[in-house]
Amino acid sequence: AQSVAQPEDQVNVAEGNPLTVKCTYSVSGNPYLFWYVQYPNRGLQFLLKYITGDNLVKGSYGFEAEFNKSQTSFHLKKPSALVSDSALYFCAVRSSGGSYIPTFGRGTSLIVHP
Amino acid sequence: DVKVTQSSRYLVKRTGEKVFLECVQDMDHENMFWYRQDPGLGLRLIYFSYDVKMKEKGDIPEGYSVSREKKERFSLILESASTNQTSMYLCASSLLRVTQETQYFGPGTRLLVL
Repeated sequence: AQSVAQPEDQVNVAEGNPLTVKCTYSVSGNPYLFWYVQYPNRGLQFLLKYITGDNLVKGSYGFEAEFNKSQTSFHLKKPSALVSDSALYFCAVRSSGGSYIPTFGRGTSLIVHP
Repeated sequence: DVKVTQSSRYLVKRTGEKVFLECVQDMDHENMFWYRQDPGLGLRLIYFSYDVKMKEKGDIPEGYSVSREKKERFSLILESASTNQTSMYLCASSLLRVTQETQYFGPGTRLLVL
């Protein structure tokens, strides 16, 4: 079985400050990890993914995520938040040896204040 | 760019009506998915399909059926709509039965059942 936890329903950050959106996972085998963003009344858009290799993954719009195998985490980060980053963020996981169907977290609402 | 389109952005239906939600993708993807998104619950998989005429149940298939007669089109059917099916419905597609592949999402259909 595979699962994802996004422990924060909402994250608030001031514009210009660094942001972190947390994600932890549980999976048998090696994980494939994904972050997606959803703007209001839109579908999900892919941000970045970790498959193998460098633990620090860089993605769209200046976002990056760090894979930490010992802590089973894949936190999303950005050095300097923009008001336009305000959106709903989803973490997803698949097992490398299992189903190709991903499991999504419940989502974290990021609010960036001017 | 991959494009996933959904037939309606907003729908209002009456209890007991038969409802069709259509999804079309233009990148020859084998996999197609239907999700339901509700606040606080994240994305829940209703059905998925990995080939024409092939379908498998997801986590919450009750009250829904699907049809995939052509590779590019995946339809979600509510045989007799109920108020508890009021939700945001998201379609997605991905390439092959490969776990590392990114999913591409449509813009969503917000369904209200009265």
